[in-house]
Amino acid sequence: QVQLQESGPGLVKPSETLSLTCTVSGASIRSYYWSWIRQPAGKGLEWIGRVYATGTTNYNPSLKSRVTMSFDTSTSQFSLKLTSVSAADTARYYCARVKIITVTEYCFDFWGQGILVTVSS
Amino acid sequence: SYGLSQPPSVSVSPGQTASISCSGDKLGDKYVSWYQQKPGQSPLLVLYEDNKRRPGIPERLSGSISGNTATLTISGTQAMDEAEYYCQVWDRDSETAVFGGGTQLTVL
Repeated sequence: QVQLQESGPGLVKPSETLSLTCTVSGASIRSYYWSWIRQPAGKGLEWIGRVYATGTTNYNPSLKSRVTMSFDTSTSQFSLKLTSVSAADTARYYCARVKIITVTEYCFDFWGQGILVTVSS
Repeated sequence: SYGLSQPPSVSVSPGQTASISCSGDKLGDKYVSWYQQKPGQSPLLVLYEDNKRRPGIPERLSGSISGNTATLTISGTQAMDEAEYYCQVWDRDSETAVFGGGTQLTVL
């Protein structure tokens, strides 16, 4: 069974960098794309980006200037860094596995439980 | 940027059929996926490639697409189907995933 677990600080100060890690078990981390998705309280889902084992990334254009995703195959982990955070970045952050439907179509078949990150001084 | 539109809420009586729509420009050219999210839980992929059910998803959940509108249909709706439902596509032009705003299904 594929399992994903997010970890990282639950509180980040404004203007600082949010750093999260997702640990994967039950699947070969090298064989898939992996994504970060966030959800502010009471609101909808926002895709942040995806990363592949080769280091290939795609980011949401609205966040691209502040986002970096990276990979560590030795620890079956991938990570998210979001710089210059503000209160608008307060949300539950999910990591998810990308399911390939076609070479140009994707969805998300396994999700972590999410981690609540609050941006506040 | 590409956008998907869903009604904020849909209500249905137990045992009846619920339909949740998702509209977007040239939606028929894309594959639509649907997620179910219950309070306090992570989203769960229920349908992908417009109408394929993930293993373990009840047959009463089905998907269809016509023109620019995709529809998630729940036949014989049960109380356990009460949840927020999101549609999602991959926008090839921007290489980004796009989610609809979500629809709260209430089983009255």
